[in-house]
Amino acid sequence: QSVLTQPPSVSAAPGQKVTISCSGSSSNIGNNYVSWYQQFPGTAPKLLIYDNNKRPSGIPDRFSGSKSGTSATLGITGLQTGDEADYYCGTWDSSLSAYVFGTGTKVTVL
Amino acid sequence: EVQLVESGGGLVQPGGSLRLSCAASGFTFSSYSMYWVRQAPGKGLECVSYISSSSSTIYYADSVRGRFTISRDNAKNSLFLQMISLRAEDTAVYYCARVEGSGWTAGYWGQGTLVTVSS
Repeated sequence: QSVLTQPPSVSAAPGQKVTISCSGSSSNIGNNYVSWYQQFPGTAPKLLIYDNNKRPSGIPDRFSGSKSGTSATLGITGLQTGDEADYYCGTWDSSLSAYVFGTGTKVTVL
Repeated sequence: EVQLVESGGGLVQPGGSLRLSCAASGFTFSSYSMYWVRQAPGKGLECVSYISSSSSTIYYADSVRGRFTISRDNAKNSLFLQMISLRAEDTAVYYCARVEGSGWTAGYWGQGTLVTVSS
């Protein structure tokens, strides 16, 4: 099982804001950068946030990331129906010598 | 444009072997470390292996160590995953991904190739 814990699902109405938490430990989130990935059904994951809070080119500023201690958070503002997807956090785990992903969170737009 | 294209997936019996390939283009392949990441049907993501740009550093997930071997051919811009002693639980879509910078981020992903282990 994953060493990073996320809520299974979050939901909100269009235009609202959702936050997704990612809880880890000192061997992963506590001492390494966190990334966030978006995945639509049947497609490959796509990088949304890297180095805790940076957005790759082309990612709207509605998506934001933060980190505090051994937890990280992805925020999505101005929620759109096109944001319905699975979201995963990811980081390096220094104890496992492995890149680890969170359990994944499904975002539903009501 | 960065492109990663996986191939080699298919149906294999338990105990069998398979070799996955990932063809890279649109960037200097020899300058980047790479991952193999898999996703079982309806499940989350699991990074099964990492290889540095020069192949000097390699890591495996505990679930595949001793059965999977990652390698690369920088002259041919290709990444490989040799899988032996396959089990039903290895059934998954396998993605190759490019590692970005110092943050271990998987920045670019291929479209994936499906491996099904079943009798």
